[in-house]
Amino acid sequence: GNSVTQMEGPVTLSEEAFLTINCTYTATGYPSLFWYVQYPGEGLQLLLKATKADDKGSNKGFEATYRKETTSFHLEKGSVQVSDSAVYFCALRFKNTDKLIFGTGTRLQVFP
Amino acid sequence: DAGVIQSPRHEVTEMGQEVTLRCKPISGHDYLFWYRQTMMRGLELLIYFNNNVPIDDSGMPEDRFSAKMPNASFSTLKIQPSEPRDSAVYFCASSLAAFSNQPQHFGDGTRLSIL
Repeated sequence: GNSVTQMEGPVTLSEEAFLTINCTYTATGYPSLFWYVQYPGEGLQLLLKATKADDKGSNKGFEATYRKETTSFHLEKGSVQVSDSAVYFCALRFKNTDKLIFGTGTRLQVFP
Repeated sequence: DAGVIQSPRHEVTEMGQEVTLRCKPISGHDYLFWYRQTMMRGLELLIYFNNNVPIDDSGMPEDRFSAKMPNASFSTLKIQPSEPRDSAVYFCASSLAAFSNQPQHFGDGTRLSIL
């Protein structure tokens, strides 16, 4: 079936470090891919998205590239800030369905 | 623009009581989703509506759970009777029509504690 796998957290980094959060998916077909972020006490917010192979989504210094050959959508940021501390969810969605399929989430903790 | 609005933000009640969670989606959105988030099970989709009609309720855990959407601007999720294992954060989300690149917009959630 269709699924999303994320790396286990927490990911603990110092401020200004480079961030990678791995996300791979299993899907029949070509879904759209999303990263959502959840700050403490809040709901999920869309961070970035990509709708086809080789697309790069970007927002707030975060980037992710839709890699069909490796079925991956890894999230990266060159220099994290304490304010980036949150839980990050990778998700996919097909055109013929209405549902998002979420990964389990990866908690990021950034220390000064 | 107003986002998805959920109420209450926090609810604490005793086991056996009826609990009603409320959601106002973003105006013009066709889809409404109810999720439950727990440490053990992560984010689970409970039910979703399209144009006020329930499309998929396969995630609703038991008959104690029910959801309604009487109009385009309001939905409720009801638990009766409530049990301690229902304690979780419940999120409502809405989105535009089903094109695959349309994101879901989430409310801030209702933190439910059943004693």
